[in-house]
Order: sequence, then structure tokens, then C-alpha cells
Amino acid sequence: RKEVEQDPGPFNVPEGATVAFNCTYSNSASQSFFWYRQDCRKEPKLLMSVYSSGNEDGRFTAQLNRASQYISLLIRDSKLSDSATYLCVVNNRGYSTLTFGKGTMLLVSP
Amino acid sequence: NAGVTQTPKFQVLKTGQSMTLQCAQDMNHNSMYWYRQDPGMGLRLIYYSASEGTTDKGEVPDGYNVSRLKKQNFLLGLESAAPSQTSVYFCASSYGLAGVAYEQYFGPGTRLTVT
Repeated sequence: RKEVEQDPGPFNVPEGATVAFNCTYSNSASQSFFWYRQDCRKEPKLLMSVYSSGNEDGRFTAQLNRASQYISLLIRDSKLSDSATYLCVVNNRGYSTLTFGKGTMLLVSP
Repeated sequence: NAGVTQTPKFQVLKTGQSMTLQCAQDMNHNSMYWYRQDPGMGLRLIYYSASEGTTDKGEVPDGYNVSRLKKQNFLLGLESAAPSQTSVYFCASSYGLAGVAYEQYFGPGTRLTVT
């Protein structure tokens, strides 16, 4: 099983749609979880951390399911500016390092 | 605050040449990281430094060396560049202490081509 696995997409959605991404991770001892977004030819930028109880930031909601070892990101009311690649990120137990998934591409069209 | 800065932004090398990629952060972060990103491969960790003066290998360290002489700087060296090192290189930093993973903040990247 790959350490962090994501559906590469692309997900093509119209403006205003709701879209959800899932990510699975293999290390059951992982404690830190994040979603990053990466625009074309740019650096990854932190979108949000993922907490055990789930958390929301505006139109974005992140959920963590430790039992099934998956993380989800829900984007409501999609905007054109949401078009990007979304990276699922998990820590490596015992080290100050992170493992990045290969990302899911989202394309929002008018 | 500038955050994380990298120089140069672009570089073309011939096979066998050497160079150093520079990274600086002004957030007083303890940990710094070097990644490479290739199409279809995602971000792969080359080396990291959990604190000033210490460095550790990541997933793909062969052909690279690093130094962290000052807390705010992390240098990545290519001793003898090879075409397989053509990639986009990102530097990142985080508050992270040894054994604890915090969110990382990235520089804008260096696009390196080795011919």
C-alpha cells in the first residue's frame, strides 16, 4: 500500500458545485494531517490542517477517519479560483517530516 | 516577512557541472527541508535539517549534499550534475522540533535543467 494515496483526477466541475476528495494513508501511527493546494508551476501552500473532530474553514471542510485511515476534503460552492492540485499530507511517525500525496487535480469551469 | 526565499529561480547546467541552491527563511523555524518535484512523482524529500548544524537524508539523497551552518539558511549542493537531476526544487521550513511534524511553508522553487 502506498504511504499516501490520492485519486489523481482531474475532477471537472462547474462553478457552484460541491466536490469531495479522499485520501488514504498507510501509517496507522500518523498524528498530523494537512491539505495543501498547488497552483500550476507554483509552490505548495497550506490550505488547512485536519483535526480529529473535523474542521471547517469557510467553504472547505476536512474530515479524518482514523479507523479507516482516510482523510477527506469537501469544497462547497466551487469557484474558478479553486482550480488547482490538492495535496494530502501526513506526518512520518517519530520524525519531523511529512509525506505528500501526488495530488488530485481540480478544474472548475464557468 | 519574506517567508522562504530561494535562489536562483532558474538554472541550466551542463552534465558534470556543480552548483549550490540557496534557501533562506525569516520565520525563525527550527526545521528546513529540500524536496524535488517531478511529473507524476509528487514531492520527494531529498534532505532535511531538524536544527541548525544537523542534517538527515530523505527519500532521494544520492547525488546531493546539504549544509545548515546558520538557522535561517539551508544549502543544497549538486557536486556533479546529471540529466536525472532535472527537476523543480522546493525548499520548505517549519517550526517542527525533532520528532514532531508541523505544517511546512515552501519557497517559490528553483527550476533546474541539466543538459
